Amino acid sequence: NAGVMQNPRHLVRRRGQEARLRCSPVKGHSHVYWYRQLPEEGLKFMVYLQKENIIDESGMPKERFSAEFPKEGPSILRIQQVVRGDSAAYFCASSPIQRSHNSPLHFGNGTRLTVT
Amino acid sequence: KNEVEQSPQNLTAQEGEFITINCSYSVGISALHWLQQHPGGGIVSLFMLSSGKKKHGRLIATINIQEKHSSLHITASHPRDSAVYICAVSSGNTGKLIFGQGTTLQVKP
Repeated sequence: NAGVMQNPRHLVRRRGQEARLRCSPVKGHSHVYWYRQLPEEGLKFMVYLQKENIIDESGMPKERFSAEFPKEGPSILRIQQVVRGDSAAYFCASSPIQRSHNSPLHFGNGTRLTVT
Repeated sequence: KNEVEQSPQNLTAQEGEFITINCSYSVGISALHWLQQHPGGGIVSLFMLSSGKKKHGRLIATINIQEKHSSLHITASHPRDSAVYICAVSSGNTGKLIFGQGTTLQVKP
């Protein structure tokens, strides 16, 4: 029973390139959250998705960032034209469908993005 | 002022000591979470609380809803407990978390 799988674990991109971060939730979970941890800062909420729907994207930067959670396949966090300030650890968490709002969250190991 | 405040920010203890980490919050919550993060590692959920007290092994978490305060206790601390401990609250009806800044714990042998 695999937990939340994130890949890649480490991603290096040059300024201006695109970064794609993938998150496969726990099997049977249909709620996915993305969080960002900037260097020396705490975790911050980015976006909450259910299958094929963005429920809350209040923490997403208005430009260059997008997220999706298709009917089939992993959730994707996409960052276009990366800048050095995007360097951070990006964590995905999932929760089960029946008790999404107050269920213990299962976190992935994160993707550490470095922009050079 | 952050909506979730933790104290202390850094904590050094000797192996075997009893450790307390505190968390205060200023928003209405549906649940409070205690998380553990090892350096360069992932995040593990330790507890989810909406009232009272929970215990798991040497870890105990308590919450006082009226005072908007929670504590995480570690009994008989061990060097492998060295990690960052993060308090987070679920607020609103989406389940998204608001995080404290974390408490970095180092337990020396």
